[in-house]
Amino acid sequence: NAGVTQTPKFRVLKTGQSMTLLCAQDMNHEYMYWYRQDPGMGLRLIHYSVGEGTTAKGEVPDGYNVSRLKKQNFLLGLESAAPSQTSVYFCASSFYNQQAFFGQGTRLTVV
Amino acid sequence: GENVEQHPSTLSVQEGDSAVIKCTYSDSASNYFPWYKQELGKRPQLIIDIRSNVGEKKDQRIAVTLNKTAKHFSLHITETQPEDSAVYFCAASSSRDDKIIFGKGTRLHILP
Repeated sequence: NAGVTQTPKFRVLKTGQSMTLLCAQDMNHEYMYWYRQDPGMGLRLIHYSVGEGTTAKGEVPDGYNVSRLKKQNFLLGLESAAPSQTSVYFCASSFYNQQAFFGQGTRLTVV
Repeated sequence: GENVEQHPSTLSVQEGDSAVIKCTYSDSASNYFPWYKQELGKRPQLIIDIRSNVGEKKDQRIAVTLNKTAKHFSLHITETQPEDSAVYFCAASSSRDDKIIFGKGTRLHILP
């Protein structure tokens, strides 16, 4: 039982490059979330999903896209990376109104 | 949408003393309020949570109180220990849109 696993753990991108972050959970959770964490800003919600095939915008969705084709996976895409997207990204999953479990984080640097 | 304010941003307390962190929320439809602890370089982990039909919950040295009328909730840590040093986040989850919105965090320092 791995919980929530994020891939990759670290990545350096050049401005304008694209990439996809993968989140996988094995707890059969309906809800999945992507957050970014920046110093002094807490955890800000980017996008989230309440079930397979659904996605919704969070607090800071611009510049990101997501997909939830399978219940256990939630993908976060950056189509054209910008230095402002340098951050630590966390994925989380939960049942409705229950504890959210977080992945180990992905440290992304855009140069 | 939901907005969660958290205070203070930094808190230093003497070992053995109590620490209190306060949060306010804006969405009256919020009904679940978790608190997370994040140690340096680690992922956030739940330490306690409370639902809107409960006013107070306690787990050993940690307690959370909720005032629905005033839309605020607080974390209380008693008999603080060095391992309590970390960043603490409050959050609110709304039945209106299922988002979990976090406060900006409180860095707690336990002084020897």
